[in-house]
Amino acid sequence: GEDVEQSLFLSVREGDSSVINCTYTDSSSTYLYWYKQEPGAGLQLLTYIFSNMDMKQDQRLTVLLNKKDKHLSLRIADTQTGDSAIYFCARAVSNYQLIWGAGTKLIIKP
Amino acid sequence: DGGITQSPKYLFRKEGQNVTLSCEQNLNHDAMYWYRQDPGQGLRLIYYSQIVNDFQKGDIAEGYSVSREKKESFPLTVTSAQKNPTAFYLCASTRSGREQTDTGELFFGEGSRLTVL
Repeated sequence: GEDVEQSLFLSVREGDSSVINCTYTDSSSTYLYWYKQEPGAGLQLLTYIFSNMDMKQDQRLTVLLNKKDKHLSLRIADTQTGDSAIYFCARAVSNYQLIWGAGTKLIIKP
Repeated sequence: DGGITQSPKYLFRKEGQNVTLSCEQNLNHDAMYWYRQDPGQGLRLIYYSQIVNDFQKGDIAEGYSVSREKKESFPLTVTSAQKNPTAFYLCASTRSGREQTDTGELFFGEGSRLTVL
């Protein structure tokens, strides 16, 4: 199976929290990342977490890393329509290469 | 403003034609990458280059070619040997990754959508 797995879709109501999950099989990564892709555009780094951390918070974003379960999550508080996008998790396997999940499309319901 | 510029944004190609996608960066980054994106799949690495005049095949290099004659430029040629070239192509760059403060953040261009008619 894929090394990094994500659900393809997540639907939430505006104002609720969104939690996007990612699982991976190899725990040798140094950094794990969350990137955001808006329609027809390139990807932008949202946040990252170093593999020796459990949690990182940055304004509305909270990243949780469970190394035992090889599980990474991204929580977006107070989800807004501007958060509609595809969210990719990725893990670094070397200084130059990343392994990517398939991306989770976040759909915001009014 | 520093960034990565890809062109063209949209490109149509007839079967049997080679096309070249441009990627230019003014971030002074050493490493550059080409990815292919298909719906419902993660990004797949085509080629990457860590330094001028050197590049390495990624996971899906067949039917593609690149050059890295200048630090700023990393063009991708989609050849007629690529069986299914219709896709969204993304160019990215990053710092060398040799310093401990480097997080490995990738900076992406806006992408080029190639359609084969």
